Amino acid sequence: AQKITQTQPGMFVQEKEAVTLDCTYDTSDPSYGLFWYKQPSSGEMIFLIYQGSYDQQNATEGRYSLNFQKARKSANLVISASQLGDSAMYFCAMREGGGSYIPTFGRGTSLIVHP
Amino acid sequence: NAGVTQTPKFRILKIGQSMTLQCAQDMNHNYMYWYRQDPGMGLKLIYYSVGAGITDKGEVPNGYNVSRSTTEDFPLRLELAAPSQTSVYFCASSNTVAGELFFGEGSRLTVL
Repeated sequence: AQKITQTQPGMFVQEKEAVTLDCTYDTSDPSYGLFWYKQPSSGEMIFLIYQGSYDQQNATEGRYSLNFQKARKSANLVISASQLGDSAMYFCAMREGGGSYIPTFGRGTSLIVHP
Repeated sequence: NAGVTQTPKFRILKIGQSMTLQCAQDMNHNYMYWYRQDPGMGLKLIYYSVGAGITDKGEVPNGYNVSRSTTEDFPLRLELAAPSQTSVYFCASSNTVAGELFFGEGSRLTVL
């Protein structure tokens, strides 16, 4: 079974608008971390944001925020005020304690920002 | 700041050839990983290491080998290359067991 599910293969957003990229996860471990990475067309993987399973508040990093709904096992990435440079693949990932914290990744969502 | 360095960036192999993808990090990270990325499939873990002298298989280890003789280096060996190994390979490291990954720039390998 997929540990990380990203159901949106592709998303489109207008510049300056907000966009939400979905991520659901599957774990029975109480200790885990959730991550989002960005992969622009140049190919490198860039860490964006982290949410720990025990964190009470949603993580934020500049224009990125993570909408963490623990009961629903979702960790959606919200990008506010989209910019053309946000066009990229976005990957959700998890490290769970019972799995020796080995990082597992979703299949990614392609985001295209239109001017 | 070098971070994680992978070489080569591109390589074309013939079926049956062997090669080593090099990975070095200068951040003194204990945890290192090799992933392969195929279109639409995300990243699949090949091998990982929690410290020098310790390696373990990931989800897709067949056809690959690794070693970790130093904290800095984590080379990935492809023996008897097959077309199914055509992929983009990423090396990554982290400084804690549960922290974010720092990635190399990737190595694009084509097996013909």
